[in-house]
Amino acid sequence: QSALTQPASVSGSPGQSITISCTGTSSDVGGYNYVSWYQQHPGKAPKLMIYDVSNRPSGVSNRFSGSKSGNTASLTISGLQAEDEADYYCSSYTSSSTLEGVFGGGTKLTVL
Amino acid sequence: QVQLVQSGAEVKKPGASVKVSCKASGYTFTSYGISWVRQAPGQGLEWMGWISAYNGNTNYAQKLQGRVTMTTDTSTSTAYMELRSLRSDDTAVYYCARSVDVFDYWGQGTLVTVSS
Repeated sequence: QSALTQPASVSGSPGQSITISCTGTSSDVGGYNYVSWYQQHPGKAPKLMIYDVSNRPSGVSNRFSGSKSGNTASLTISGLQAEDEADYYCSSYTSSSTLEGVFGGGTKLTVL
Repeated sequence: QVQLVQSGAEVKKPGASVKVSCKASGYTFTSYGISWVRQAPGQGLEWMGWISAYNGNTNYAQKLQGRVTMTTDTSTSTAYMELRSLRSDDTAVYYCARSVDVFDYWGQGTLVTVSS
């Protein structure tokens, strides 16, 4: 069981916006600005999409944005495109000594 | 450009060991750590542990303590992950990822199948 909670699935139509949440605790998401998001297409390695809550690596579309409020971080994808259909995982630095569950359980995004 | 290239797929019997390599290029190897992450079929990402390529310090997931060892060879910019006493539920794709609080570059993954 992951320490970070994400919805199992979300969906949206092309052109719409969707938001994926990632809920943790004050020991991880709420306590640090080190939340990151990863996109994974089937059979491929994960790809970093957002780091430090809201920063985009070079080359990542500005349709992807991140935010945080309290113990919940969010990934928003605007102007949905078919190629956005993938699994998305959040991750956070944690002060837990075991570092267990550093990833969320993942969210399957379906573009209708 | 930063690249992490992993070794090829492995098939192992229960009780055996596997050692996966991850060769880094395109950056100063000792300036970053390497994390290992695995993904069982149809499941999510599971963090296994981290090693500093600078000094070899490690931090392993509690559930794998005693079965996993991570090492680096700075002369070849290669990281290794060895998992012992393999069980069927260790069947997964194993990824290495460059990491300093964020996993910014990933290897292509290595499928390890544990089957009798």
